[in-house]
Amino acid sequence: DIQMTQSPASLSASLGETVTIECRASEDIYNGLAWYQQKPGKSPQLLIYNANSLHTGVPSRFSGSGSGTQYSLKINSLQSEDVASYFCQQYYDYPPTFGAGTKLELK
Amino acid sequence: QVQLKESGPGLVQPSQTLSLTCTVSGFSLTSYHVSWVRQPPGKGLEWMGVIWTGGSTAYNSLLKSRLSISRDTSKSQVFLKMNSLQTEDTATYYCARDRYYGYTPSYFDYWGQGVMVTVSS
Repeated sequence: DIQMTQSPASLSASLGETVTIECRASEDIYNGLAWYQQKPGKSPQLLIYNANSLHTGVPSRFSGSGSGTQYSLKINSLQSEDVASYFCQQYYDYPPTFGAGTKLELK
Repeated sequence: QVQLKESGPGLVQPSQTLSLTCTVSGFSLTSYHVSWVRQPPGKGLEWMGVIWTGGSTAYNSLLKSRLSISRDTSKSQVFLKMNSLQTEDTATYYCARDRYYGYTPSYFDYWGQGVMVTVSS
């Protein structure tokens, strides 16, 4: 199985700040990567697919980048509603696998 | 609009079988694949398996011997059955819609609200 290593595990940032979350795959996943946001007690919500495509309705302050084995999610101008956990997921090969998650809190 | 909703027992005894139902609306099970994903409390997400539009299935090898996914297209329902449950199977179980149409792995564009299942005597 492809292992997804996500960092950092937790992150504290201020309102208006720019935040970056990283995800590294154990092999090349050819941009088959998605990012999800999960708020406490809620189901994951799709943010980004194909490494850099914004899902419908997701604010433009979210962006994804990367290639090969290294990918990142950037949140510009952090808002209070962005407090959540974020997960990456590869879908290049079966089984789809997820990163362990990054918990984002306000400083 | 697209909706998925899981239902099933909140408590299952060890060694027993878990049966969950995912009822979908706003799309057809013959047009989109549906996956099951679970999340132990405070932990990450694990893909369990998928039922494809044609009715065939694929499973995570870690669960394959215990897991069965089926569907009733006339009722827009997908079923999960997993036997020999242990305490480590305690988790929130989600059904989610696969975005890709082919028989390749996919990301998930819509998720159900999840159902928490506790395995305990």
